[in-house]
Amino acid sequence: AQTVTQSQPEMSVQEAETVTLSCTYDTSESDYYLFWYKQPPSRQMILVIRQEAYKQQNATENRFSVNFQKAAKSFSLKISDSQLGDAAMYFCAYSRNTGNQFYFGTGTSLTVIP
Amino acid sequence: KAGVTQTPRYLIKTRGQQVTLSCSPISGHRSVSWYQQTPGQGLQFLFEYFSETQRNKGNFPGRFSGRQFSNSRSEMNVSTLELGDSALYLCASSPLRSGGTDTQYFGPGTRLTVL
Repeated sequence: AQTVTQSQPEMSVQEAETVTLSCTYDTSESDYYLFWYKQPPSRQMILVIRQEAYKQQNATENRFSVNFQKAAKSFSLKISDSQLGDAAMYFCAYSRNTGNQFYFGTGTSLTVIP
Repeated sequence: KAGVTQTPRYLIKTRGQQVTLSCSPISGHRSVSWYQQTPGQGLQFLFEYFSETQRNKGNFPGRFSGRQFSNSRSEMNVSTLELGDSALYLCASSPLRSGGTDTQYFGPGTRLTVL
């Protein structure tokens, strides 16, 4: 079974600083997708970034970027120039390329300190 | 485009009752998935529907069922409710066209409380 592990239950960062959230996953598949979602107090899950396993280049979306290490099965999220609106629970998710069945980690609660 | 909508947003039921939750996907999306979120178990996959067919199913008892209509709207039903079914139920739709996987866009959720 696929498992996704987020080893940091809570993280904090000063406004305008950079923070990295960790995620590791376990799979025997070679074709899969990885995602980071954020869930603010409203509970609305919002896509942050996605990475296709077949792409060697790390995905980037504005202030958000990932460090995808396929051999190490690691998928960390870097948030640059942190803003107060980045405060949320962040979930790492994995999906095989055989249908939309996502496996989520337990989440990392990010606090942004003004 | 309008986002994923879920109704109702809040629901209170008693043990033994049944409940039906509804999800309207983003226009044009044919894949709809359902997830249960609880403090203890986190986010768990329930099932996915694509073009009215259940394509994937998570590890939940048969009390949990779903269906998808020709307009891609989906419903999930939970029969004989138990206290442990209290959770936030999230629906997600995807622009997936056929096989494979794609980004899922989530609705605001339905908060179910079982008393």
